[in-house]
This record gives sequence, C-alpha cells and structure tokens, in this order.
Amino acid sequence: EAGVVQSPRYKIIEKKQPVAFWCNPISGHNTLYWYLQNLGQGPELLIRYENEEAVDDSQLPKDRFSAERLKGVDSTLKIQPAELGDSAVYLCASSLAAGGPYNEQFFGPGTRLTVL
Amino acid sequence: GEDVEQSLFLSVREGDSSVINCTYTDSSSTYLYWYKQEPGAGLQLLTYIFSNMDMKQDQRLTVLLNKKDKHLSLRIADTQTGDSAIYFCAETPSGTYKYIFGTGTRLKVLA
Repeated sequence: EAGVVQSPRYKIIEKKQPVAFWCNPISGHNTLYWYLQNLGQGPELLIRYENEEAVDDSQLPKDRFSAERLKGVDSTLKIQPAELGDSAVYLCASSLAAGGPYNEQFFGPGTRLTVL
Repeated sequence: GEDVEQSLFLSVREGDSSVINCTYTDSSSTYLYWYKQEPGAGLQLLTYIFSNMDMKQDQRLTVLLNKKDKHLSLRIADTQTGDSAIYFCAETPSGTYKYIFGTGTRLKVLA
C-alpha cells in the first residue's frame, strides 16, 4: 500500500515568487494535515482537513498561505508571495479520522523549500 | 507559550541503552507520543502512552511518564545503528486534536 505522497521533494525559488506543494494522502483517510517543520524543530500544524472542510486553520498565515482539498482527497498548499523565512520542510500527514493513537497519523517525506 | 522541551543530542554505543527525555506543557494531555524521523523521511509513530499510565513497554521500547513533573522518557534497550534518527515527543491537550511536538533529540549510535 502506498504511503502519503508529496511533490515536489525539493523546491528552490526566489523571494516574492509563488510556490505550491501537493499531497496525496493514504486511500480512505478522511483527515489530512499540513505541518511546517523548521530546521532543528518539531512539526507545527498549519491546517487540518476533515474531508474537504478545513476544521482547524488557526495557525495558517492567511495573508500569504492558502490551502485546498477540493474533493476531499488530494490537497494543495500554496504560498504567495514567498518570503525568506518560509524556508522549511512542509509535511503532509493523513489519518482515518482525527484524535487519539488509534487514528495514527502517517506522514509523507515532506517538501523542502528554499527561498533565496 | 507552548514549548515541549527535549535535549538536542544523545550519543550511545551500539548495544547500550538510550534514554531520551521530554518535558511537556499541558497536564491535561490525554495521550503522549514518541515519533522517529529518519533523514529525508516523515515522522513515524513509535509508541504512545495514555496519561493514566506510569509505564508502557513495547519490545525494546519503554516509556515512563511522570505526570507530576510533566516528564516523559523513552528508553531504547540494546540500541542498534538503525536506531540513529531524530526522536520527537508529542502531546495532545485534552479537548483538542492538536499535536504539539517537541524540538527533537538527535540520537547517534556508534558502532
């Protein structure tokens, strides 16, 4: 069974350019998460989806970040315009449902973004 | 602020035991977790403990929980080179689905 797929794996852009990351969760997983992981830090939640609904986007900087999960399956995270401080790894995770260890989150390998 | 703290580095010899420590923030957290992250990969759930437990053993892994001090530890017995990775603890405050991750401890196992 395929795990969580993310693309691209690496992205280098100049500041003020737009960038988009794509995530394909594990089949059947209703809950999808986007995390930001800065160097030497743990992941921080950006947004959580239940099917196509964003149920927790309180940590998403909405002035420049947006996300969508139109059909409740794949998801896209976009940054426009990118800033130097956005350089980080963007992780996608999915789970059958939200909450508790019985709904284990499975993580993708992440997209490493470098903003020059 | 919400800061789950871990020491940055740990180095052990192959075959020895490793103990990774974590201080979490929210005494209401229902579950506490340990995740492993290998280079270039996402996080993988290793084990978890329910907040009403003091200890949980899972093969080579032993989790100890001290709720009074909000201290969590992960002991890896007979540490192998394949255990070299970054280990994150995480908590989920009661009433939320939010995972708060620690800063991570990089474990290096010397052959």
